Amino acid sequence: EVQLLESGGGLEQPGGSLRLSCAASGFTFSNSVMNWVRQGPGKGLEWVATISPGGDSTYYADSVKGRFTISRDNPKNTLYLEMSNLRAEDTAVYYCAKRQLDYLDYWGQGTLVTVSS
Amino acid sequence: QAGLTQPPSVSKGLRQTATLTCTGNSNNVGNQGAAWLQQHQGHPPKLLSYRNNNRPSGISERLSASRSGNTASLTITGLQPEDEADYYCSAWDRSLSAWVFGGGTKLTVL
Repeated sequence: EVQLLESGGGLEQPGGSLRLSCAASGFTFSNSVMNWVRQGPGKGLEWVATISPGGDSTYYADSVKGRFTISRDNPKNTLYLEMSNLRAEDTAVYYCAKRQLDYLDYWGQGTLVTVSS
Repeated sequence: QAGLTQPPSVSKGLRQTATLTCTGNSNNVGNQGAAWLQQHQGHPPKLLSYRNNNRPSGISERLSASRSGNTASLTITGLQPEDEADYYCSAWDRSLSAWVFGGGTKLTVL
């Protein structure tokens, strides 16, 4: 059974930093393209970042480019999202999602990030 | 990044049929179609359909998807109370190298 478990969310002040983790199991993590998608309160889904299986290629939404860094540790089956210079508009539930071909087939339960003073 | 276009809300009666639409362009929906996700309040998204009309195991046969040009559609027949949820379409945009999502359609079952 595929499982994705996010952690690391919490309350942070504007300008602060947070590191999210996503522990994966039930599939070959090292062969999978992984993604972060977020959902602001009462809003729709917004893609944040994508990383290739080996970690050599990364892609970012314009809204987070230069502030967020996606990475992975394949031996630990873990995906990360380093977030810095946080803004109020980064407040959201952050989901990690696994890519299968050209669609996202499994999603984690999400972790809530709140940016507020 | 530009998103896909979905109507904000659709309301239908119990046991009726609802068709949800999603419009993109030739770089996303028109390229390899769209996937559809269902989200109940307080829960993560769940994949319903991919590559236009493939359903993951366990997804009801009352759901079917299709695509015509740059517009994808999800049809749900015999609406049940549990179908009341938010529905999102998604696609990989080859020109943006980014996932794009629709704004979501809130389906209400009357």
